[in-house]
Amino acid sequence: GQSLEQPSEVTAVEGAIVQINCTYQTSGFYGLSWYQQHDGGAPTFLSYNALDGLEETGRFSSFLSRSDSYGYLLLQELQMKDSASYFCAITDSWGKLQFGAGTQVVVTP
Amino acid sequence: KAGVTQTPRYLIKTRGQQVTLSCSPISGHRSVSWYQQTPGQGLQFLFEYFSETQRNKGNFPGRFSGRQFSNSRSEMNVSTLELGDSALYLCASSARTGSYNEQFFGPGTRLTVL
Repeated sequence: GQSLEQPSEVTAVEGAIVQINCTYQTSGFYGLSWYQQHDGGAPTFLSYNALDGLEETGRFSSFLSRSDSYGYLLLQELQMKDSASYFCAITDSWGKLQFGAGTQVVVTP
Repeated sequence: KAGVTQTPRYLIKTRGQQVTLSCSPISGHRSVSWYQQTPGQGLQFLFEYFSETQRNKGNFPGRFSGRQFSNSRSEMNVSTLELGDSALYLCASSARTGSYNEQFFGPGTRLTVL
């Protein structure tokens, strides 16, 4: 079967750095994606890692280690608007996208 | 380019009824996926359609079905509604299917079953 584990909630102050870890188990794996969802909004794509290493997009970075079945999303210079839920998702070898339960990030002043 | 649209945005039904939700993907996108989102459960994959064919299916009962038309628009149907079917149903489109498929989500249909 497949499973993804990520923390349910993380709280940090403005300007801080937050790391959201995601561990997964799957019988087939293509890549790891991250999505952001604000309350009442639609999920929006943040990043995709197919190979080991770090991908940087502005204040957000995503990392993948295929050998450890582990990845993380790094949010730097936190802003109030970053308060949202963040989902990791794996694309399995059938092309199916499976999401984790999500991490609620709360940014405080 | 217009985004993914879903209709209706809100729906209230009673147990035992059936419901049909509609999704129009981004122009040029041929893949449409459906997800159910409930509090604390994340997004549960329902199915994916690509070029009018169901390509993948999640672990949902047969009461949940879908289809895709030649213009890539998709519908999802839930028959014999149960209270537990109350959820946000999200549709997402992508330009391709397979190993890398960045999903563009619609605003969702909020279904309440009474």
